[in-house]
Amino acid sequence: QKEVEQNSGPLSVPEGAIASLNCTYSDRGSQSFFWYRQYSGKSPELIMSIYSNGDKEDGRFTAQLNKASQYVSLLIRDSQPSDSATYLCAVPVLDTGGFKTIFGAGTRLFVKA
Amino acid sequence: ETGVTQSPTHLIKTRGQQVTLRCSSQSGHNTVSWYQQALGQGPQFIFQYYREEENGRGNFPPRFSGLQFPNYSSELNVNALELDDSALYLCASSSLDRVKEKLFFGSGTQLSVL
Repeated sequence: QKEVEQNSGPLSVPEGAIASLNCTYSDRGSQSFFWYRQYSGKSPELIMSIYSNGDKEDGRFTAQLNKASQYVSLLIRDSQPSDSATYLCAVPVLDTGGFKTIFGAGTRLFVKA
Repeated sequence: ETGVTQSPTHLIKTRGQQVTLRCSSQSGHNTVSWYQQALGQGPQFIFQYYREEENGRGNFPPRFSGLQFPNYSSELNVNALELDDSALYLCASSSLDRVKEKLFFGSGTQLSVL
């Protein structure tokens, strides 16, 4: 069974620091990778996507992909208390039963003011 | 706001009952996926519908079934409810793209089974 794994945390960082969130995936054929943010009591929202090896930056967010190591990460620079949420790594796969996007369990991030 | 609407927002049922959850997809999207999210867990894929046909299914028993309508809205039906079915049920719409599927979620239905 294809899997996506994340450290569940919680990860606690001070305001202004860099938060680093990590994700590994089992399907070597995966071609696209997504990060969703989920605030407590809310539904997930897409914040980043990455398709090629290397870094992709969007504002304070940087996604990093290493397909050889089957590893994707999300860096949040200048972390703010409003960044406190659960961050979900998601990977579309073709598995038994057909096509689907699978999610990791999520990493809880706390940014202390 | 994503434009994906789900109803109802909360629901309380008893074990053995049946439930129907509804989802209206975002304009321009032709695919709907349903997920179950238990407290403290990531979303678990239930199934996906594209053009009114089931396009993929996760490891859920047959008592979880669905429909998609010509306007791309969708229903999730769960028969013979069990206590473990208590969870947040999320609907996500997308444009079918097997490689770069970006999901847009509704606000979810919180189901409690007593």
